[in-house]
Amino acid sequence: GAVVSQHPSRVICKSGTSVKIECRSLDFQATTMFWYRQFPKKSLMLMATSNEGSKATYEQGVEKDKFLINHASLTLSTLTVTSAHPEDSSFYICSARATGTVYGYTFGSGTRLTVV
Amino acid sequence: TQLLEQSPQFLSIQEGENLTVYCNSSSVFSSLQWYRQEPGEGPVLLVTVVTGGEVKKLKRLTFQFGDARKDSSLHITAAQPGDTGLYLCAGRRESGGSNYKLTFGKGTLLTVNP
Repeated sequence: GAVVSQHPSRVICKSGTSVKIECRSLDFQATTMFWYRQFPKKSLMLMATSNEGSKATYEQGVEKDKFLINHASLTLSTLTVTSAHPEDSSFYICSARATGTVYGYTFGSGTRLTVV
Repeated sequence: TQLLEQSPQFLSIQEGENLTVYCNSSSVFSSLQWYRQEPGEGPVLLVTVVTGGEVKKLKRLTFQFGDARKDSSLHITAAQPGDTGLYLCAGRRESGGSNYKLTFGKGTLLTVNP
């Protein structure tokens, strides 16, 4: 089946530094990838939608300059949290929709970010 | 305003009991999916329903899509401790555009006690 690899699974960084999270579709091409944020015991909150080769579409209230998204190829999207603050600590999850499919969403295993 | 109202948000039951989780909306969805998520992991797809009135079964889990494609339910028969987890419904709106983004319900945190 389709597999999405998300890396790193856990990261601790100092306040003010930047952190990059990678999301790779291992055995399929993904025209569209989605980035979510999740608080403990809560649902997923969509942050942005990225399409290969074009600018990401951010949801209302999400700072595009703080959460930089790059989708440079059909198998890789990255989320960079810039100038991280403790309030950015969260669980970040990506998902990829296989090119040519309507219902084929595959989720990564998530990244636990802790900003100290 | 929550587009997909999922209930209940928390459910704690004994092993062997039955339960139903509901997902309701005033919007029409072209498809609806149910996911199960364990702590520290990404959601895992359980089922996708696309036709109004559709019923799908996965062992002890029964999924139903409403006739008008505005609501869905997940029924678990004889729950087991291994069913414990966060259950999420997610739909793709009929007017969702070409990006196919999913709208998630708030989730149901299920605990099945032995």
